[in-house]
Amino acid sequence: DIQMTQSPSSLSASVGDRVTITCRASQGIRNDLGWYQQKPGKAPKRLIYAASSLQSGVPSRFSGSGSGTEFTLTISSLQPEDFATYYCLQHNSYLTFGQGTKLEIK
Amino acid sequence: QLQLQESGPGLVKPSETLSLTCTVSGGSISSSSYYWGWIRQPPGKGLEWIGSIYYSGSTYYNPSLKSRVTISVDTSKNQFSLKLSSVTAADTAVYYCARHLYDFWSGYFDAFDIWGQGTMVTVSS
Repeated sequence: DIQMTQSPSSLSASVGDRVTITCRASQGIRNDLGWYQQKPGKAPKRLIYAASSLQSGVPSRFSGSGSGTEFTLTISSLQPEDFATYYCLQHNSYLTFGQGTKLEIK
Repeated sequence: QLQLQESGPGLVKPSETLSLTCTVSGGSISSSSYYWGWIRQPPGKGLEWIGSIYYSGSTYYNPSLKSRVTISVDTSKNQFSLKLSSVTAADTAVYYCARHLYDFWSGYFDAFDIWGQGTMVTVSS
């Protein structure tokens, strides 16, 4: 089984800050990774696919990078609507989510 | 646009079978480009993929749940369904259905791009 280790588990930041969330895979997964945003009481929304491709309609302040075992999601300038929980998802071998990162307002 | 809607009992007794249905509207479930999946999220916790199904009936299950999971499809109703047997309190969760991207020619599984709103299922006597 491929395990996804996501860090940090929580993060406090201010509007306008640049933040980075990391996911590490227990073995190489090429670029078979996506990032999702989930707000309370809502279904997850895909932001990034294939590690670095921006989903249509998602603001360009979101970006993804990485390949193999280490991946990052960066939000270049936090907006009030970005405070949410973020998950990575690998689909190289079955599908496994990271544990999530809760992004809170400082 | 495509929408997915989960339905089913919100309360299931321990040791019984949880049954949910996802109705797809605004598009056909019989597309070669998609599987259709189930994902769950216990209260306050993370997401777990349960399994996915193709319109032909081919299935792809999470190995950790495979022994208890059955996913089926009814193309005439544009629906797919989840059955999870021998449930315990640990199966209490919000259950989501979602469209699971798939490349027919390569057999490559991508991830989920469109989700239902989710339905809460509580396991309790």
